[in-house]
Amino acid sequence: KAGVTQTPRYLIKTRGQQVTLSCSPISGHRSVSWYQQTPGQGLQFLFEYFSETQRNKGNFPGRFSGRQFSNSRSEMNVSTLELGDSALYLCASSPGQGRGTDTQYFGPGTRLTVL
Amino acid sequence: DAKTTQPTSMDCAEGRAANLPCNHSTISGNEYVYWYRQIHSQGPQYIIHGLKNNETNEMASLIITEDRKSSTLILPHATLRDTAVYYCIAWGGNFGNEKLTFGTGTRLTIIP
Repeated sequence: KAGVTQTPRYLIKTRGQQVTLSCSPISGHRSVSWYQQTPGQGLQFLFEYFSETQRNKGNFPGRFSGRQFSNSRSEMNVSTLELGDSALYLCASSPGQGRGTDTQYFGPGTRLTVL
Repeated sequence: DAKTTQPTSMDCAEGRAANLPCNHSTISGNEYVYWYRQIHSQGPQYIIHGLKNNETNEMASLIITEDRKSSTLILPHATLRDTAVYYCIAWGGNFGNEKLTFGTGTRLTIIP
């Protein structure tokens, strides 16, 4: 079974621009979570989508948004980029049934650099 | 989700067993112990998880104490490719709560 895929793998943007990152979950998985990883803050939860609905949200400003499509693929968008948004953005998918065996599997990440 | 505490770093000789401890003294009865690892700049890789019984898979073994306040991840024959940051996470897995809280993890270095 194919793993979680994320595109693009690397991205360079300038301050003020916006960016859209894409995530394709493992086939059959309905939950997609997004995380941001920076050297200073570590891995932080952004939000989670299940059946096209945002179920959980972390403590990030409204510039960070996401959506999920009917095929469970998800996108996240960051508007008005700031230098501090430079990070590795990770997507994780799981069946989303909420049981203890509902393991989240991570993609390779998108490395975003804001200049 | 319960807070976990791990040593900042550990070394292990290649070919030996690597034993990574994790303290989760406030874990609740429905929280599972999950282990992930992250090799530099890659996405975290799932290793193993358990509730109260010891677990083993092709990658590792997980030993959870009877009171569930701590656990140990065992990599039986460490190789250089096991050098990574290892994260121990206590997660309730409740429906609608997919958020994983990562701590700082243990940086494991395998020494040739």
